[in-house]
This record gives sequence, structure tokens and C-alpha cells, in this order.
Amino acid sequence: DAKTTQPPSMDCAEGRAANLPCNHSTISGNEYVYWYRQIHSQGPQYIIHGLKNNETNEMASLIITEDRKSSTLILPHATLRDTAVYYCIVRPAFNNDMRFGAGTRLTVKP
Amino acid sequence: GAVVSQHPSRVICKSGTSVKIECRSLDFQATTMFWYRQFPKQSLMLMATSNEGSKATYEQGVEKDKFLINHASLTLSTLTVTSAHPEDSSFYICSASVPGTGELFFGEGSRLTVL
Repeated sequence: DAKTTQPPSMDCAEGRAANLPCNHSTISGNEYVYWYRQIHSQGPQYIIHGLKNNETNEMASLIITEDRKSSTLILPHATLRDTAVYYCIVRPAFNNDMRFGAGTRLTVKP
Repeated sequence: GAVVSQHPSRVICKSGTSVKIECRSLDFQATTMFWYRQFPKQSLMLMATSNEGSKATYEQGVEKDKFLINHASLTLSTLTVTSAHPEDSSFYICSASVPGTGELFFGEGSRLTVL
């Protein structure tokens, strides 16, 4: 019952920016957008989250549209180690419940 | 960032035996932990929510008598797969929420293979 839609797969050239889209048209006013990634056979890794303003940290940038119905995760300079499944998740603040959709399998190619 | 550790990372057992997987929050206290299961090439599926000092809350379709969850302290939750069968073979992942931040950190996962 994930509330997000992501493309199943994307490719990106090493060194280029990877832009991963996510649609969350039914997002509620108190729900945040979270991004996690999962490298093969590991637990998910937190990347970034935001409510309505764009956010940036050492890993990525998160761009949220003004109507908050979609967002884009940007990896500015993708490396081969960024190959993973990226999950976009919406949930209310401090609601611990985290439910995963299918995610986007990003493959960074040399 | 906060650290959540699982043990064992891999376990192989015979059909009919029980297996216990531990999930620890190493540098924070977690009143709530979560258990997920992931089959090959599929996404993570929430199995249950583990609350310290009370009974776990199971998702629809998850057998509480088969997947026993104990959250006896603020840093430890355990998942016991009872009478395991080959169809229980999966990647089990726990997570814990850092109080006051809303951030959820995940363990490394435990791969169970039932022969």
C-alpha cells in the first residue's frame, strides 16, 4: 500500500548526475518524503528527507515540487558504488511506520 | 549516524527447527523497532512492529505464533522463526527509530536459509 510511484529502473553514466523521480500525488500535509537506498544484500541506508523545502546533504539533494505531488532525488556525481535500489517513501513526521514500494533500480555505468 | 546491528548475518537451519535473530540499537534507545522480510528481487515487507515492554503488532497475514517477537529492553528486539520451513527462507531486516528525530535506521539484515 505504498503511496509512491517510481520508475522500475534507470541507468546513469559514472560522474554524471542521477535524477530519480517519485510521484506522491496523494501526499498529506503532514507527511514527509523520505529516500532510502538498498545495495544488494544489505539493509536500507537513509539518504535524505524533506517536507516542502528542497534539502541537501553530503549524499544528495531532494527537490520537492511546490504542490508536493512529486519529488526528485539528485545524486550530483554518481559513482559505481551508487548502484542500488532507491526507495521513495512518504510518512507522517514521527510516525515510525515505514512502508516500501518497489523502488527504482539505479545502475551506474562506467 | 545511528547504528542498528543484527545477528546473525547468515543462518542455515534444518526444516522444523527454530531460529532467533537479534536486533540491537547500539548508540540509542529504541522504544519501537520494526521487522521486515524481503524475498529475492522484491521490496521490503513490514512484518511487525515491536514495542518495548508490550506485545508486538503484526501486519495482516503474518502469523504471530510463527514469528515470535520479543522486545525486552530499549536496545534489543528478537525475532524467532519457529518450526522453520523452506518457504521461510528470506532476508530479514530490522529497523529502529531514533527518538525525537523521525529517522529510521536499518540493520544489516539476516539471511535465513531453511533446508
